[in-house]
Amino acid sequence: AQSVTQPDIHITVSEGASLELRCNYSYGATPYLFWYVQSPGQGLQLLLKYFSGDTLVQGIKGFEAEFKRSQSSFNLRKPSVHWSDAAEYFCAVRGGYQKVTFGTGTKLQVIP
Amino acid sequence: EPEVTQTPSHQVTQMGQEVILRCVPISNHLYFYWYRQILGQKVEFLVSFYNNEISEKSEIFDDQFSVERPDGSNFTLKIRSTKLEDSAMYFCASRDRVTDTQYFGPGTRLTVL
Repeated sequence: AQSVTQPDIHITVSEGASLELRCNYSYGATPYLFWYVQSPGQGLQLLLKYFSGDTLVQGIKGFEAEFKRSQSSFNLRKPSVHWSDAAEYFCAVRGGYQKVTFGTGTKLQVIP
Repeated sequence: EPEVTQTPSHQVTQMGQEVILRCVPISNHLYFYWYRQILGQKVEFLVSFYNNEISEKSEIFDDQFSVERPDGSNFTLKIRSTKLEDSAMYFCASRDRVTDTQYFGPGTRLTVL
């Protein structure tokens, strides 16, 4: 069965600092991987996705993520965080054409 | 940019009542999904729907739940007899073949009293 682990429940960074959110997945074959962001009271917005090809994928809002098969990881990065990036971030995996399995999320707090 | 819409944004109901949550998927999408997120917990898959039938469902999706595409634009989730533990945010999603990505609606917050 597919699963996702986000080891950090809560992360605090200073505005302008770099950010890395960790994600590890479990799936038997090549997974489809996603990062979604959820602002308070809002829905889930897709930041980026990895299906195949280049293991470094670029997303919206200046985010990128790197797929590392050997580590079963898909960490999300941003070189310089803005206050508006404060939200909850979900890593997700899809093994086929159907359900997406989400991690428990990482809440990002940005301090001035 | 086309988006998934959901109504209502917030529904309050009494335990044992039936509720219908409505979704309008993106117009050229053919695959539809419902997920739920209990407060403070992760987003959980409920059901997927394609070609007018359920293609996969989770153990959460028991006989109290049903889905329907009553016309060419709406996709509904019905909970027959709500329980307190059904209180959650319910997200609808749709997917197209081109991008092969699920796009989520803003959610309906269901509160069962």
